[in-house]
Amino acid sequence: DAGITQSPRHKVTETGTPVTLRCHQTENHRYMYWYRQDPGHGLRLIHYSYGVKDTDKGEVSDGYSVSRSKTEDFLLTLESATSSQTSVYFCAIREAGRTGELFFGEGSRLTVL
Amino acid sequence: RKEVEQDPGPFNVPEGATVAFNCTYSNSASQSFFWYRQDCRKEPKLLMSVYSSGNEDGRFTAQLNRASQYISLLIRDSKLSDSATYLCVVNYGGSQGNLIFGKGTKLSVKP
Repeated sequence: DAGITQSPRHKVTETGTPVTLRCHQTENHRYMYWYRQDPGHGLRLIHYSYGVKDTDKGEVSDGYSVSRSKTEDFLLTLESATSSQTSVYFCAIREAGRTGELFFGEGSRLTVL
Repeated sequence: RKEVEQDPGPFNVPEGATVAFNCTYSNSASQSFFWYRQDCRKEPKLLMSVYSSGNEDGRFTAQLNRASQYISLLIRDSKLSDSATYLCVVNYGGSQGNLIFGKGTKLSVKP
């Protein structure tokens, strides 16, 4: 299995609080992604990174920010969590040149009350 | 708008059955195609890529029809362990990889 871990795996928080989810990889892959998955929707891209300090927005980036200061870590931050951000968040990694071949972390289940 | 459409199912089939899923995509410029499998409350995992000429991996066969803009996944001799949700994924190109995921088709294989 690809070396990718997410933390925390489960979190319950209150509206308005900041939340940071961490994705850590040991594969030295260049590309890292944050997706959210909700009932009735496919996986939707929030942000992605194509290198250290190189990030870009995805389809549903409003309310989220990311940072990548090291190859192995990609952080997703909700500055002020809202109930609409209750979701399962998946981090994914891929090698350069292998578009479409993503390896996902186990997911982080976030509940915003 | 780039969309990937799948029949959500569920498909309930007996062990040993053959089952096929289709997926349609909206953008003819799509470059590559994939099937992922997702078990309940687990992460998605790549099942197979879909090549223009069609490809097979054991009991699984993937086909691409660019003219009609759909891809298919055929599972022969279904096993209980095939029960999962199957996600159709389309790459619309770009060096960063612009992947669009379908909502998935749920398969339940019964004894």
